[in-house]
Amino acid sequence: ILNVEQSPQSLHVQEGDSTNFTCSFPSSNFYALHWYRWETAKSPEALFVMTLNGDEKKKGRISATLNTKEGYSYLYIKGSQPEDSATYLCALQANQAGTALIFGKGTTLSVSS
Amino acid sequence: ETGVTQTPRHLVMGMTNKKSLKCEQHLGHNAMYWYKQSAKKPLELMFVYNFKEQTENNSVPSRFSPECPNSSHLFLHLHTLQPEDSALYLCASSQDLQETLTDTQYFGPGTRLTVL
Repeated sequence: ILNVEQSPQSLHVQEGDSTNFTCSFPSSNFYALHWYRWETAKSPEALFVMTLNGDEKKKGRISATLNTKEGYSYLYIKGSQPEDSATYLCALQANQAGTALIFGKGTTLSVSS
Repeated sequence: ETGVTQTPRHLVMGMTNKKSLKCEQHLGHNAMYWYKQSAKKPLELMFVYNFKEQTENNSVPSRFSPECPNSSHLFLHLHTLQPEDSALYLCASSQDLQETLTDTQYFGPGTRLTVL
């Protein structure tokens, strides 16, 4: 059974702080890594899909990096805002195209104003 | 809005009831999924359909019965559920499982199910 681990489980920061969280996965099974953002009572929303070692993706104040050799990805949020409060999920697409995603439990971020 | 809708958003049912969850996607996708999220657990894949054919059943008990009449609609029929089946059930869709290299999935908002 493949395991995707995310840390920390939850995080509370002040508005304006920058923060980051980690997603770890078995590097031998890597095909692609997905990041999702999930606000309470809404649908999970796709942020990034990453496939190449050393990949770096950016969307506004949110960015992500990928290390497939050691099996981790970091998600960074610069200058956190209250609207960034959500659960951030990462999901591993293992081995090949067409395989289903394996999700981590997520990191829940709370940003206070 | 992600283009994936689910009804109902909340459902309370007894263990002897039969109910159905509905999912509809307006994205022209060919793959559809059911996930379950229980408290403190990650999203767990239940079923996958690709071009209306079931391609994956992740050891789900038979009291959960999926149906995919066309590429836009997916149902989850529920009967004789147990209280431990109470969870958030999410539907998702993606382009298809055969040609895309990466499988970005678009999720609905989920149905919160409580089994009494």
